[in-house]
Amino acid sequence: EPEVTQTPSHQVTQMGQEVILRCVPISNHLYFYWYRQILGQKVEFLVSFYNNEISEKSEIFDDQFSVERPDGSNFTLKIRSTKLEDSAMYFCASSERGYGYTFGSGTRLTVV
Amino acid sequence: GIQVEQSPPDLILQEGANSTLRCNFSDSVNNLQWFHQNPWGQLINLFYIPSGTKQNGRLSATTVATERYSLLYISSSQTTDSGVYFCAVSNFGNEKLTFGTGTRLTIIP
Repeated sequence: EPEVTQTPSHQVTQMGQEVILRCVPISNHLYFYWYRQILGQKVEFLVSFYNNEISEKSEIFDDQFSVERPDGSNFTLKIRSTKLEDSAMYFCASSERGYGYTFGSGTRLTVV
Repeated sequence: GIQVEQSPPDLILQEGANSTLRCNFSDSVNNLQWFHQNPWGQLINLFYIPSGTKQNGRLSATTVATERYSLLYISSSQTTDSGVYFCAVSNFGNEKLTFGTGTRLTIIP
């Protein structure tokens, strides 16, 4: 079964540093997403991406965040100047309209 | 936006027991999925079920879209079923999934 692949699985970074989380969506999917889950809380939507541009973003997704599809296979989330409260599990997902989402295994980001 | 409520919030069962988890949502949906979050934090897709009934082994799910709820059934529970079960929905014209707060299931040997 096709998978969404995320790297790294775990990243520790110092406060104020920039991090890039990477995702390889399923190859024939057209819609891409990032979600976040702070420890013990529910999964929250960050941003959706379609046709090489952001289609929707939440209020969480401020100027600190950016997304990019640098080539035909990768989808990245960049977090600039990380804060302690950015510590969370970040999930990438992709979908084909009408067939549901497939989530990656997540990247656990720890900001110290 | 659409609201998603799950019940019960916590459920503790003996191995071999059956369980029913419920998801209520506040508006019409075009997508409903059930996920199992395992102890490592991974979200495992169980069902894509915006309407109707599906079964996969010991698990089955039913969504009654007109009454805005979905049920997840787990039969003959095993310890590996432990974790948090999330319901997530999206509605027409809006691609993002909205997650419920989850049901934490603990299966005791």
